[in-house]
Amino acid sequence: KNEVEQSPQNLTAQEGEFITINCSYSVGISALHWLQQHPGGGIVSLFMLSSGKKKHGRLIATINIQEKHSSLHITASHPRDSAVYICAVRTGNQFYFGTGTSLTVIP
Amino acid sequence: NAGVTQTPKFRILKIGQSMTLQCTQDMNHNYMYWYRQDPGMGLKLIYYSVGAGITDKGEVPNGYNVSRSTTEDFPLRLELAAPSQTSVYFCAVRLAGTYEQYFGPGTRLTVT
Repeated sequence: KNEVEQSPQNLTAQEGEFITINCSYSVGISALHWLQQHPGGGIVSLFMLSSGKKKHGRLIATINIQEKHSSLHITASHPRDSAVYICAVRTGNQFYFGTGTSLTVIP
Repeated sequence: NAGVTQTPKFRILKIGQSMTLQCTQDMNHNYMYWYRQDPGMGLKLIYYSVGAGITDKGEVPNGYNVSRSTTEDFPLRLELAAPSQTSVYFCAVRLAGTYEQYFGPGTRLTVT
């Protein structure tokens, strides 16, 4: 069993739709990260959360520590949001990653 | 991934060959990590280092070795390459006291 589970695995949306990606984890964590992997393969960090909610532009990330669950929301989705979104949790010096959610936004 | 460079970008190895994947950072970050990413799987930690001279195993260290003689460099060594090591390898760095990782562009390795 993976320490980090994401859903859905794949997601197709129309431009402008509100998108939610979910992440559940089974270990005690120091922090949770949301990453974006571009079609070319590069990985960038979007958010680091240890509690509550964070917002960057059209992206919102929330975490419920008691439920061991986090969500990544994208408002007013755009084709340039098409990417793989990866949830990762940090315990000590190590990180554990979900398998990613592949998002395609259609114009 | 500015500040973290990986070489080579692509490599094809024959079974039993060895090679070193290079990772160099100019960010003066203490922590460095090596991950592999297999299709349909999450990134898996191979080895990590918390500073020069200090390394430790991650989830999937078998078949790999690392060294960290300087802050800047964290090479990953494959001895006796096997088809199971076909993967995309990412190096990442993190500053002590912070949690954000910065990833290199990756090395795509095929072992045939």
